[in-house]
Amino acid sequence: SYELTQPPSVSVSPGQTARITCSGDALPKKYAYWYQQKSGQAPVLVIYEDSKRPSGIPERFSGSSSGTMATLTISGAQVEDEADYYCYSTDSSGGVFGGGTKLTVL
Amino acid sequence: QVQLQESGPGLVKPSQTLSLTCTVSGGSISSGSYYWSWIRQPAGKGLEWIGRIYTSGSTNYNPSLKSRVTISVDTSKNQFSLKLSSVTAADTAVYYCARGSGSYRVPLGMDVWGQGTTVTVSS
Repeated sequence: SYELTQPPSVSVSPGQTARITCSGDALPKKYAYWYQQKSGQAPVLVIYEDSKRPSGIPERFSGSSSGTMATLTISGAQVEDEADYYCYSTDSSGGVFGGGTKLTVL
Repeated sequence: QVQLQESGPGLVKPSQTLSLTCTVSGGSISSGSYYWSWIRQPAGKGLEWIGRIYTSGSTNYNPSLKSRVTISVDTSKNQFSLKLSSVTAADTAVYYCARGSGSYRVPLGMDVWGQGTTVTVSS
């Protein structure tokens, strides 16, 4: 098994760029996925396969991955982006989530 | 589009078996290259991947839960299920089902989630 590590919290003012990182030794060989979870709701996929954005997700959400670190970037963060964000990766043996990052926008 | 809905008892006694079902609507559970997963989240904590099943019947489980978990699929009912045995209070959580894409050798991420169901383990 492997682990994914995220910072517990990130805070930005509205309109600023928020960056949330996810580190793991296996990431050079695996895709990273990012989920947004607002309070009391199910997670929503915002980035898949490191950098692809599902339909319906605002363009301000982007992803990148280099070496052992994947990054979710929210350019011009909005108050409505305040949520918990989880990275996820998987291979043929199973899946694993990062511990989650609470994004505060205020 | 495909929707998932969890169902099952909201209260389970310690040492008993937790059983949940996820019903897939809007599409066949057997069509396409998908797998079907269970994830849980204790109150105030992060997401924990429990396991998944392919419609071929192949499964993967979280090593920390593997001895207690069984995931099965019933294609005739368009459902898949989770059984977690010998539960304790530590198994109290919101349980989600989700659809993932890809093959057994090259699985990809999960794109469709159920709304989640709360299970409390208490006597």
